[in-house]
Amino acid sequence: SQTIHQWPATLVQPVGSPLSLECTVEGTSNPNLYWYRQAAGRGLQLLFYSVGIGQISSEVPQNLSASRPQDRQFILSSKKLLLSDSGFYLCAWTASGNYNEQFFGPGTRLTVL
Amino acid sequence: RKEVEQDPGPFNVPEGATVAFNCTYSNSASQSFFWYRQDCRKEPKLLMSVYSSGNEDGRFTAQLNRASQYISLLIRDSKLSDSATYLCVLTTDSWGKFQFGAGTQVVVTP
Repeated sequence: SQTIHQWPATLVQPVGSPLSLECTVEGTSNPNLYWYRQAAGRGLQLLFYSVGIGQISSEVPQNLSASRPQDRQFILSSKKLLLSDSGFYLCAWTASGNYNEQFFGPGTRLTVL
Repeated sequence: RKEVEQDPGPFNVPEGATVAFNCTYSNSASQSFFWYRQDCRKEPKLLMSVYSSGNEDGRFTAQLNRASQYISLLIRDSKLSDSATYLCVLTTDSWGKFQFGAGTQVVVTP
């Protein structure tokens, strides 16, 4: 069966510090991978998606970046965090070519102080 | 106009009652429709897909109205465990980009 992991679960970082969030998927090959952010009381905002290794598409210009160094690994990074980067970060995957369901990781709750 | 709009609620529902709410979307080319459930401080999980002819899954009934561009969710015989935020989700293109509504909060009370 497929599983998706995210870490860390919670993170408190000062403004201006770097960020690295990791997501890995097990039990499937060549998944589509997604990073979302959910601010308090808001809907999910798509940040990045990837259809394959090294392929990253950005939905919203900001101080975040993403990388996919391996087929089932997706990393979200920032060189300098802003207060507005606080939120609930969710990684998700879908089977390539099958968009009937999106599976989410447990999320990382980021607070920037 | 937002691409996917939902009444944020909360809908306060007595246990055993029925609750229904809608979600409107702006892109007439939207292809697939879903309801996801999100518990407080947790990740969203698929509740059910929404088919053109409408579909039921136990106490949950989903409808799609393409002409008026909305989907609906009805919950019968509400349980305390139904308390959650219900997210309207749709896809608009071929590669699997999902559009999420901000969610409708349902609170079932004893």
